[in-house]
Amino acid sequence: GAGVSQSPSNKVTEKGKDVELRCDPISGHTALYWYRQSLGQGLEFLIYFQGNSAPDKSGLPSDRFSAERTGGSVSTLTIQRTQQEDSAVYLCASSLRQGEAFFGQGTRLTVV
Amino acid sequence: AQSVSQHNHHVILSEAASLELGCNYSYGGTVNLFWYVQYPGQHLQLLLKYFSGDPLVKGIKGFEAEFIKSKFSFNLRKPSVQWSDTAEYFCAVNAGNNRKLIWGLGTSLAVNP
Repeated sequence: GAGVSQSPSNKVTEKGKDVELRCDPISGHTALYWYRQSLGQGLEFLIYFQGNSAPDKSGLPSDRFSAERTGGSVSTLTIQRTQQEDSAVYLCASSLRQGEAFFGQGTRLTVV
Repeated sequence: AQSVSQHNHHVILSEAASLELGCNYSYGGTVNLFWYVQYPGQHLQLLLKYFSGDPLVKGIKGFEAEFIKSKFSFNLRKPSVQWSDTAEYFCAVNAGNNRKLIWGLGTSLAVNP
């Protein structure tokens, strides 16, 4: 596609529910990243994919968070049993070369 | 642990004023350095980057940044800002072959016409 696409753009969920966030990277980009931005904080790295494998998932804050990537393309970030502290903007980025990351618009997650 | 510090959290300027936003990082080895910009309602986009070579790098829209290794700094500059430069500016670093970016907290720039 023309850019990185994330869906949904906004998600409100009740505490304890599971949510899935989707990222469609730019076609042909081998690397895919998930970050999150909480209110008043900088971007926080969550996980990085190269192809379908995740060589670095050190930023996932707990075992409630998981992500997968299939076909070297679409990625899904799943948060189980959501908590209020999970409220944030979740950003996806993709790149072909190191550093030239292209970002999506993000998914604003609100846990009530 | 690696970290990135942006010294100015909020900056207000008048059009045609000069801009310098500070960025310092903590990491002793080889680094790649980036400035990203986020205009209101838009996604993050790359403004400029430094990998190696000339420490003075030029980016889009008249921005430039200078890598000073001895000071662990990568400050962003623009000689004359415009109202359209109103945005959030983020400094980011990755170390060596590590693909993940470490981010500063961002600087909110407001340019008054």
